[in-house]
Amino acid sequence: GIQVEQSPPDLILQEGANSTLRCNFSDSVNNLQWFHQNPWGQLINLFYIPSGTKQNGRLSATTVATERYSLLYISSSQTTDSGVYFCAGSNSGNTPLVFGKGTRLSVIA
Amino acid sequence: DAGVIQSPRHEVTEMGQEVTLRCKPISGHNSLFWYRQTMMRGLELLIYFNNNVPIDDSGMPEDRFSAKMPNASFSTLKIQPSEPRDSAVYFCASSYGYGYTFGSGTRLTVV
Repeated sequence: GIQVEQSPPDLILQEGANSTLRCNFSDSVNNLQWFHQNPWGQLINLFYIPSGTKQNGRLSATTVATERYSLLYISSSQTTDSGVYFCAGSNSGNTPLVFGKGTRLSVIA
Repeated sequence: DAGVIQSPRHEVTEMGQEVTLRCKPISGHNSLFWYRQTMMRGLELLIYFNNNVPIDDSGMPEDRFSAKMPNASFSTLKIQPSEPRDSAVYFCASSYGYGYTFGSGTRLTVV
């Protein structure tokens, strides 16, 4: 099955700093999503991004499908961005997402 | 829409007892997934349904685990008998096409 590697595993940022999170896939995926798990455990869907670039406020994501990786950019980080960021992928919309181990982000004031 | 609703939010039970976790997916979503999250193994898929039919239960750890989806608006995950190593957060998610919506999870503690 698909293997998902995320880096870095942990990241500590000063409030206002920018960061880039990376996700590598062992095989091609056509369903790729980024999630944020907040400190209360809730998993929130950030992006569905099998290819190309999307932006939502201070967050943006880019997927290079031919090279099987995706990047999540966080700009001007805030303490509310803390939590764990997961990427996940699958071969189709009806097959389950396989999750990476996540990047744990701590933004300090 | 109220989103994916899971109950209970927390469950503490004694080893050997039966545990039933419940999930109400978003109306109109045709796929439902049960995931388990632990520190050691991360988020792992247990079972998923398409149009109420179980498609792949290879992630269910043992025969002690079973899941049902009797209709499009309800699913259960049952553990019988429960063991301490089943302690984890169990998430239900639903989708129509690509976007997943997760419930708030059930934190299960087996003592």
